[in-house]
Amino acid sequence: QKEVEQDPGPLSVPEGAIVSLNCTYSNSAFQYFMWYRQYSRKGPELLMYTYSSGNKEDGRFTAQVDKSSKYISLFIRDSQPSDSATYLCAMGPGANSKLTFGKGITLSVRP
Amino acid sequence: EPEVTQTPSHQVTQMGQEVILRCVPISNHLYFYWYRQILGQKVEFLVSFYNNEISEKSEIFDDQFSVERPDGSNFTLKIRSTKLEDSAMYFCASSEGYSNQPQHFGDGTRLSIL
Repeated sequence: QKEVEQDPGPLSVPEGAIVSLNCTYSNSAFQYFMWYRQYSRKGPELLMYTYSSGNKEDGRFTAQVDKSSKYISLFIRDSQPSDSATYLCAMGPGANSKLTFGKGITLSVRP
Repeated sequence: EPEVTQTPSHQVTQMGQEVILRCVPISNHLYFYWYRQILGQKVEFLVSFYNNEISEKSEIFDDQFSVERPDGSNFTLKIRSTKLEDSAMYFCASSEGYSNQPQHFGDGTRLSIL
């Protein structure tokens, strides 16, 4: 079983849709969870991070962590064409430790 | 907003040559990292560096790789004798080192080995 698995894509949605992006993991040592956005030929850009189970909201983005199920999600409300990018989940034992990434999912938001 | 900067953006090198990739982490950060992403694959951890020494490294980070903080601002990754399979995007990242603050990434150096 891979340490981090991310739903395969690509994903195409109409503008204004709610998007749900998901990752599962197998390593119980993972306690720190991040979502990054990556545009073509750019580095991962931090979107959200959390180290507790439950929900964390920031504007149109909500990160959800369920440690009992080893499952994390990123929800994007009122999606915009500018949200079109590759989304990466990443996680590790702590903020300053090795991060293990999912493979990424490419999202396209159609105007 | 402070950012991690990497140079060059693209490096082309002959197989067997040495290459040095350079990074300027965010100025008050204490932890530094290198990751790589082979085309079409996941971002993979290479090494982390704290207090002038390696704190963690992956199995990819063998004797051909080394890291250095030669002065107060730069952080470098050296590959001693490059192989074709070293072709990838190399990302530098840094983190504050306290208060659970996350890692911030640069835009990467695309390394092409011929």
